[in-house]
Amino acid sequence: AQTVTQSQPEMSVQEAETVTLSCTYDTSESDYYLFWYKQPPSRQMILVIRQEAYKQQNATENRFSVNFQKAAKSFSLKISDSQLGDAAMYFCAYRSGGNNRLAFGKGNQVVVIP
Amino acid sequence: SQTIHQWPATLVQPVGSPLSLECTVEGTSNPNLYWYRQAAGRGLQLLFYSVGIGQISSEVPQNLSASRPQDRQFILSSKKLLLSDSGFYLCAWTRDGAYEQYFGPGTRLTVT
Repeated sequence: AQTVTQSQPEMSVQEAETVTLSCTYDTSESDYYLFWYKQPPSRQMILVIRQEAYKQQNATENRFSVNFQKAAKSFSLKISDSQLGDAAMYFCAYRSGGNNRLAFGKGNQVVVIP
Repeated sequence: SQTIHQWPATLVQPVGSPLSLECTVEGTSNPNLYWYRQAAGRGLQLLFYSVGIGQISSEVPQNLSASRPQDRQFILSSKKLLLSDSGFYLCAWTRDGAYEQYFGPGTRLTVT
């Protein structure tokens, strides 16, 4: 089974600054998808960004971008110009192209300091 | 647009009582549906998923069960709750053939 590892359980960032969250995964497959989900205090999981493994270009969604290093099996999330509303738990997730189950990491808590 | 609903939002139940949590999706047909549990301070654990009416796959053997009586309805049940069943239960859906999952607002279950 694939495993997803997130270190740095809690990260603090000043408002308007940049924070990077790390994620590594273990797989022997070549066809897969990676995601970052945000879980604010309301606890609803919100999809932030996705990356297809076959794409070399890093995904970007407004202030959120990823650094996808396929050979290193690394998938980090960068939040630029951090806002108070970015404070949440962030989960990295992996999905094999061969099935539709998601494997989640244990999460990173992001604290935004005004 | 598609929306996903879960109810109830919160539930407090005594040990040994039955459980029924409901999830419905609007605005799509033949979705793949999922039940996850999130224990306090931990990641998400996939419990069940369904690719169609009456088709349920169980990921974790325990005293929970799932059913899909209608295309866009997914139900999580238990005949007798345990203290360890406490947690936050999330339902998710994905379009058949798509790869990202979208989550409902969740149900906070406390077993006393």
